[in-house]
Amino acid sequence: QKEVEQDPGPLSVPEGAIVSLNCTYSNSAFQYFMWYRQYSRKGPELLMYTYSSGNKEDGRFTAQVDKSSKYISLFIRDSQPSDSATYLCAMIPNQAGTALIFGKGTTLSVSS
Amino acid sequence: DGGITQSPKYLFRKEGQNVTLSCEQNLNHDAMYWYRQDPGQGLRLIYYSQIVNDFQKGDIAEGYSVSREKKESFPLTVTSAQKNPTAFYLCASSIYDHRQFFGPGTRLTVL
Repeated sequence: QKEVEQDPGPLSVPEGAIVSLNCTYSNSAFQYFMWYRQYSRKGPELLMYTYSSGNKEDGRFTAQVDKSSKYISLFIRDSQPSDSATYLCAMIPNQAGTALIFGKGTTLSVSS
Repeated sequence: DGGITQSPKYLFRKEGQNVTLSCEQNLNHDAMYWYRQDPGQGLRLIYYSQIVNDFQKGDIAEGYSVSREKKESFPLTVTSAQKNPTAFYLCASSIYDHRQFFGPGTRLTVL
């Protein structure tokens, strides 16, 4: 079983839809959870950052972490064509000397 | 402007050549990372460095080498031992709370 699983998609939605992106993981030691957005041929951009369980909202984006289920989600409200990108989840335990573990990314396409 | 710069943006390598990819950051971050990205493969960790003059192998270090002589710089050399180097290479740096910030990437192609 891989440490982090993420459905690669592609996921296609119409403009204005609510998008749900998800990752599951196996390592209960993960404490920090992140979502990155990557446009084609660009470096990933940090979108959301969460420590431990709970929700975090930033504009149209909401990140949720459910540590009991080892499941994290990113919701995008009122999706726009500019949201079309690959979304990567990433996580790390609270431990020095370790590196982020990334999901493989979900490709999202929002049509106008 | 604070950030991470990578150069060159595009790089072409002939068979048997070593090439070096540059990564510089002015964010005063201690940790720096190199990733390789192939279509459908996600990000794979090559090397990372938590502090100057120290670095660790990641998941796919074979055929690559790094140095960390300065806090701001973490160059990656792709050696001739790397048999399939064509990929998109990403450099990142991070602060104490594990948030990583990425550079714009270098696309390496073998001719």
